[in-house]
Amino acid sequence: QVQLVESGGGVVQPGGSLRLSCEASGFTFSYYGMHWVRQAPGKGLEWVAVISYDGSNKYYADSVKGRFTISRDNSKNTLSLQMNSLRAEDTAMYYCARAGGRSSTTWYIAYWGQGTRVTVSS
Amino acid sequence: DIQMTQSPSSLSASVGDRVTITCRASQDIRNYLAWYQQKPGKVPNLLIYAASTLQSGVPSRFSGSGSGTDFTLTISSLQPEDVATFYCQNYYSAPWTFGQGTKVEIK
Repeated sequence: QVQLVESGGGVVQPGGSLRLSCEASGFTFSYYGMHWVRQAPGKGLEWVAVISYDGSNKYYADSVKGRFTISRDNSKNTLSLQMNSLRAEDTAMYYCARAGGRSSTTWYIAYWGQGTRVTVSS
Repeated sequence: DIQMTQSPSSLSASVGDRVTITCRASQDIRNYLAWYQQKPGKVPNLLIYAASTLQSGVPSRFSGSGSGTDFTLTISSLQPEDVATFYCQNYYSAPWTFGQGTKVEIK
């Protein structure tokens, strides 16, 4: 079965950096687009970034563009999110998520990880 | 950017009621619309994609319709286990925006 396990969350000061990882199993990782989605405490879902199956295409929400970088290592079945210049408003649960398929026309979110919590606070 | 607007923001209905949630896109997204259910304290779960295709394992009381800019999610007979917040999402183009959510409670 599809498993997505996030790690790397924690408490960081404003202006700091954090790198989130997501270990995927139970499917052919290199075939699917992958997303990061976040949810601030008590708030709705906010899409963060998506990467194509081969890493050649990446898209970001305006709120994180220029600060966050999504990447993947298909040899290790791992998705990453490098987060720099963190702000208080980046505080959220961050979910790794698998798309429905390979092409962008199937990039709805078919599976979600359990999430890793990021807190930006001094 | 494409904006997604859901209505209502919350609703309260009785068990067995038919419930309808609407989602409006700020521009044509064809049928690239997904619906998710997030139960309290849980991870979101895909209900419907391509506006009307039911994800495997999702009860048939859930259905979706629409295309272009206007979409609906219908629960034909509300059950106690359906208490949740529901989100629509555009996946036609970047950014893959979610609606603000609709919280469904039992009256």
